[in-house]
Amino acid sequence: KAGVTQTPRYLIKTRGQQVTLSCSPISGHRSVSWYQQTPGQGLQFLFEYFSETQRNKGNFPGRFSGRQFSNSRSEMNVSTLELGDSALYLCASSDPSGGNTEAFFGQGTRLTVV
Amino acid sequence: QQPVQSPQAVILREGEDAVINCSSSKALYSVHWYRQKHGEAPVFLMILLKGGEQKGHEKISASFNEKKQQSSLYLTASQLSYSGTYFCGTASLYNQGGKLIFGQGTELSVKP
Repeated sequence: KAGVTQTPRYLIKTRGQQVTLSCSPISGHRSVSWYQQTPGQGLQFLFEYFSETQRNKGNFPGRFSGRQFSNSRSEMNVSTLELGDSALYLCASSDPSGGNTEAFFGQGTRLTVV
Repeated sequence: QQPVQSPQAVILREGEDAVINCSSSKALYSVHWYRQKHGEAPVFLMILLKGGEQKGHEKISASFNEKKQQSSLYLTASQLSYSGTYFCGTASLYNQGGKLIFGQGTELSVKP
């Protein structure tokens, strides 16, 4: 099975711009979660999508949003970028049909805001 | 709410053992362990569920004390490939495995 694929791998944006990141989960996985990783804050949960619905949400401002398509692919959007949004954005996919189970991470998108 | 990991960092010689602890102030349903090497994605190691079920790599062992909300990851006969940052992620409810709250990480370095 192919793993979790995130695109693009690297991105440089200017303050005030918006950005869209993409995540293709493992085939058959219906849950996609997004995390932000920074040296100072570590791995922080952004949101989870399951069957095209946002199931859980972390404590991030409304500038961070996401969606999931019928094929389980997910996108994350950040509007009005700030310097502090520079981070590694990771998505993880899982098949929670049997309850809590292992999640598999993609390689991440490294976002730099200048 | 973030679980606390200890130690923050550990240096081992090949063949030595290590224990990494993860402690939460909240009641937990599951604990998930990952290892991340520099510049790479976190890799799943082990999941421990309330009630005793666990699933993970054969060479990795871990425990979950449900009463104390603590989990420990046991690394025995360490190899160079064990180097990396270890994270525990916790979920408080059934079917919240997609919303993991991660500890700050434990940096493990194995030297020849």
